[in-house]
Amino acid sequence: GQQLNQSPQSMFIQEGEDVSMNCTSSSIFNTWLWYKQDPGEGPVLLIALYKAGELTSNGRLTAQFGITRKDSFLNISASIPSDVGIYFCAGRFRGSTLGRLYFGRGTQLTVWP
Amino acid sequence: GAVVSQHPSRVICKSGTSVKIECRSLDFQATTMFWYRQFPKQSLMLMATSNEGSKATYEQGVEKDKFLINHASLTLSTLTVTSAHPEDSSFYICSAALGAGGTDTQYFGPGTRLTVL
Repeated sequence: GQQLNQSPQSMFIQEGEDVSMNCTSSSIFNTWLWYKQDPGEGPVLLIALYKAGELTSNGRLTAQFGITRKDSFLNISASIPSDVGIYFCAGRFRGSTLGRLYFGRGTQLTVWP
Repeated sequence: GAVVSQHPSRVICKSGTSVKIECRSLDFQATTMFWYRQFPKQSLMLMATSNEGSKATYEQGVEKDKFLINHASLTLSTLTVTSAHPEDSSFYICSAALGAGGTDTQYFGPGTRLTVL
């Protein structure tokens, strides 16, 4: 199956710092999605990207669809304690059947006050 | 908008019993719903894709007879874990696709924690 490489696996930062995480794939993707998951909850959609080069913001979050269509990054600016959680990238590659998504392994973010 | 609910949120059952989990799209119609399984500190693993009015498509290695999926309407899909055993204990999450074609986005339910004793 498709492999998504998400890095870093975990991050420990201080409140106020900026955060960056990224995802790469071995195939060309036509959709990139970024989700956040809190413990014991389902993933919540943060940002959806549909075009190569697309740069989209959602509050302090910014994500971009790489121009090669094989990567995406998520930035969080001025982190706050409630940003703690696991962030997953997900993508759909060209030719994907039934609209299935492929997920990265997640980035565990810890924010110290 | 795009709210997905799951019921129950957690269930504890004895080994050998069957458990049904419901997934509903509350404010949109979803032709396609997905069922995932997630182990602690791991990513989501797709179990099956459920299409309204047709048979579900299962991922390789997922037993169709053990994990029964029914998608009877555009807002409801159910997953039944039959003859559950302790190794079936996990966090089960559904998602519903909103949109059409290549731009459809998956919205997730809050998950169901299954514990089989």
